[in-house]
Amino acid sequence: NAGVTQTPKFQVLKTGQSMTLQCAQDMNHEYMSWYRQDPGMGLRLIHYSVGAGITDQGEVPNGYNVSRSTTEDFPLRLLSAAPSQTSVYFCASSPQDQGFYGYTFGSGTRLTVV
Amino acid sequence: QQPVQSPQAVILREGEDAVINCSSSKALYSVHWYRQKHGEAPVFLMILLKGGEQKGHEKISASFNEKKQQSSLYLTASQLSYSGTYFCGTRIRSSNTGKLIFGQGTTLQVKP
Repeated sequence: NAGVTQTPKFQVLKTGQSMTLQCAQDMNHEYMSWYRQDPGMGLRLIHYSVGAGITDQGEVPNGYNVSRSTTEDFPLRLLSAAPSQTSVYFCASSPQDQGFYGYTFGSGTRLTVV
Repeated sequence: QQPVQSPQAVILREGEDAVINCSSSKALYSVHWYRQKHGEAPVFLMILLKGGEQKGHEKISASFNEKKQQSSLYLTASQLSYSGTYFCGTRIRSSNTGKLIFGQGTTLQVKP
């Protein structure tokens, strides 16, 4: 049982490049979310999904796309990387909310855009 | 929509108590609490649903005042292992329950 797996752990991009951050979970969780963490800003929600085929925007969605074709995978795409997207990105998953479950976080991807 | 946490930082000696507050301007469905150690991912501590409900996790407990849209995290007889950044996460009543918004965090340092 691996939990939530994020790849890569570290990435350096040049401005304007695109890339996909991968997130996979093996717990059959319906809910999945992407957050970015910057110093002093806490965890800010980028996009989230409540099930396969269903996604919605969070607080800071601009410059990012997501899709959810399977329950297990929730990739995050950076369309044209900018230095402002330098951050630590966390993927998290949870069972469908029955009021008792918190989110399990992946170990994060540290992204630097130069 | 982001909940507000206070204080921003706390420094304690081992054995002392601390309270971290989380408040929202929106009617809340639930409040989550997480702890994050430096360089690691956040870890879920507890979730609160009903007004006035209080839960415990070791010597860490929390309450949720549904009328005031506020939650408080209580750390009793703090240990060195309690050091880290604490985040509250909130789900508002009118939103999809899959949307969890976090506060800016409270950094707790416990000294020997």
